[in-house]
Amino acid sequence: DAGITQSPRYKITETGRQVTLMCHQTWSHSYMFWYRQDLGHGLRLIYYSAAADITDKGEVPDGYVVSRSKTENFPLTLESATRSQTSVYFCASSVALAGVGEQFFGPGTRLTVL
Amino acid sequence: EDKVVQSPLSLVVHEGDTVTLNCSYEVTNFRSLLWYKQEKKAPTFLFMLTSSGIEKKSGRLSSILDKKELSSILNITATQTGDSAIYLCAGNAGGTSYGKLTFGQGTILTVHP
Repeated sequence: DAGITQSPRYKITETGRQVTLMCHQTWSHSYMFWYRQDLGHGLRLIYYSAAADITDKGEVPDGYVVSRSKTENFPLTLESATRSQTSVYFCASSVALAGVGEQFFGPGTRLTVL
Repeated sequence: EDKVVQSPLSLVVHEGDTVTLNCSYEVTNFRSLLWYKQEKKAPTFLFMLTSSGIEKKSGRLSSILDKKELSSILNITATQTGDSAIYLCAGNAGGTSYGKLTFGQGTILTVHP
């Protein structure tokens, strides 16, 4: 399927477990981003990547790890999940040189940490 | 630290009303201001503004940027129930933060029939 996809769409896990959220885009966009959305906070940037093997921290990176070995994939790993990481996670992508431009969002993953 | 603030946080109107949503920003090396609409799913792009004073328009929606005041407004005329959504604005930074968006908290708009 063309576009940007996320998996799983829903996930329930327990405190202390490792969880990986997947993001895949078919546009060959250079930039990819991970956000979390919580009531009252809007969207907050966790990590972003300008290209394969280039990643950088966003506003709320603690407790998360990312990798970008291929342009099209940008997985987000919660190394030891905590209840405060219960949230809706959105992946987004943007074309190169469009750092001033539109980001396209995936459908989101709703994560619940018990 | 970059900051984007939206007001009001929520708004309830009736169909046919006109609404104005506000967004103020403090973004280092500011490049652009973006507006998104979010219904019960992912945000979808509405406008990108880079130049001050130039209105972007799409149907009943319009937006304008004021770089002097570090702010933007989103206007929706003749509102419909389908306009009910969360409206997000985001500031885009340049320099070493190229591509990063800082989002506001969002304005929840509810349009009653």
